[in-house]
Amino acid sequence: NAGVTQTPKFRILKIGQSMTLQCTQDMNHNYMYWYRQDPGMGLKLIYYSVGAGITDKGEVPNGYNVSRSTTEDFPLRLELAAPSQTSVYFCASTGGAKGNTIYFGEGSWLTVV
Amino acid sequence: AQTVTQSQPEMSVQEAETVTLSCTYDTSESDYYLFWYKQPPSRQMILVIRQEAYKQQNATENRFSVNFQKAAKSFSLKISDSQLGDAAMYFCAYRNRFNFGNEKLTFGTGTRLTIIP
Repeated sequence: NAGVTQTPKFRILKIGQSMTLQCTQDMNHNYMYWYRQDPGMGLKLIYYSVGAGITDKGEVPNGYNVSRSTTEDFPLRLELAAPSQTSVYFCASTGGAKGNTIYFGEGSWLTVV
Repeated sequence: AQTVTQSQPEMSVQEAETVTLSCTYDTSESDYYLFWYKQPPSRQMILVIRQEAYKQQNATENRFSVNFQKAAKSFSLKISDSQLGDAAMYFCAYRNRFNFGNEKLTFGTGTRLTIIP
């Protein structure tokens, strides 16, 4: 019973490098989200998707890109990493109107140095 | 846009006592969900309790219960018989129910709960 799986769990990036955080869910959920959580703060929405082929910006999309080619996968791409992107990243998913529980991955700790 | 406010950055309670965490929200929608999530030091997000706005009855889950006041847009969490394992950050969250294309979960800034042995 995997739920929402994020990889990698930990990563250190140098300024200017790029990387992709992977997220996959096996619950056939339509809705998927990427959040970031800075130290001592709440979660802020980066991007979300309401289905395959559909994505939209959240509160803090700058410096990130996403794609949703399948229902299961929702990767988050960091281009030209900056120290301000040091954070914990959470992927989440939920079903449609009746699937009101949002499930979270375990988080990906990213440090940009 | 919806907003969620948690006005208590930190709370503490004696073990076995009861504590209430506050949450208010702002929305123009009539049908939505409200949640409390617990985040222990591991940073994992754990769903504690969920309330559907169209249900008048307050949700309960074992030692956790909510006081949902729809007119006042208030959604507080009561933890009874507090245990050391309850120590964590607690986040209140809001989600529209049928606003397709806007199914975002909006979080408050959190309340750090400390349990005093």
